[in-house]
Amino acid sequence: AQSVTQLGSHVSVSEGALVLLRCNYSSSVPPYLFWYVQYPNQGLQLLLKYTSAATLVKGINGFEAEFKKSETSFHLTKPSAHMSDAAEYFCAVSDLGGGSQGNLIFGKGTKLSVKP
Amino acid sequence: ETGVTQSPTHLIKTRGQQVTLRCSSQSGHNTVSWYQQALGQGPQFIFQYYREEENGRGNFPPRFSGLQFPNYSSELNVNALELDDSALYLCASSPRDPGDTQYFGPGTRLTVL
Repeated sequence: AQSVTQLGSHVSVSEGALVLLRCNYSSSVPPYLFWYVQYPNQGLQLLLKYTSAATLVKGINGFEAEFKKSETSFHLTKPSAHMSDAAEYFCAVSDLGGGSQGNLIFGKGTKLSVKP
Repeated sequence: ETGVTQSPTHLIKTRGQQVTLRCSSQSGHNTVSWYQQALGQGPQFIFQYYREEENGRGNFPPRFSGLQFPNYSSELNVNALELDDSALYLCASSPRDPGDTQYFGPGTRLTVL
């Protein structure tokens, strides 16, 4: 069964600093992986997704993630944090063995704070 | 292109009552999934509907039920509400294939007193 672990429930960076949010997955088959962002009192917005086409995936708002099979990781990065990046970030894997077609299994989330 | 919409935005119920939440899928999407997001947690999969049939279910009791209509909109029904049902309920729509992106609505905040 697939699973996702996000290391660090809370990450704080200064404006302009590198953002690194960690995600490790467990999957017995090649996974589909996603990063979503959730702003307060809102739903989830897709940042980017990995579907085996390329290991480095570029998303919206300057975010990117690299799929590393040997490390079973899919960490999210952004070179320079903006105040508007403050939100909660969720890593998810598509469950391909649960009987449904691709329901998502989410990590517990990482709350990103950006200091001025 | 209209995105995923959900209604109502907020809802307050008392323990033991029943509730119905509604979701309109994005144009062209025939699959709807429902998730429960408790405070401080990631979303948990409740169930998925494809062409009006349940197509997979997470670890939720039978008092959580749903429907999908011919226009692919969907309802989530919860009977005999418990305090722990207080959460943000998210609906997501997607095309059929696994790995297709799920597009989420803004959610319905349910509070059970």
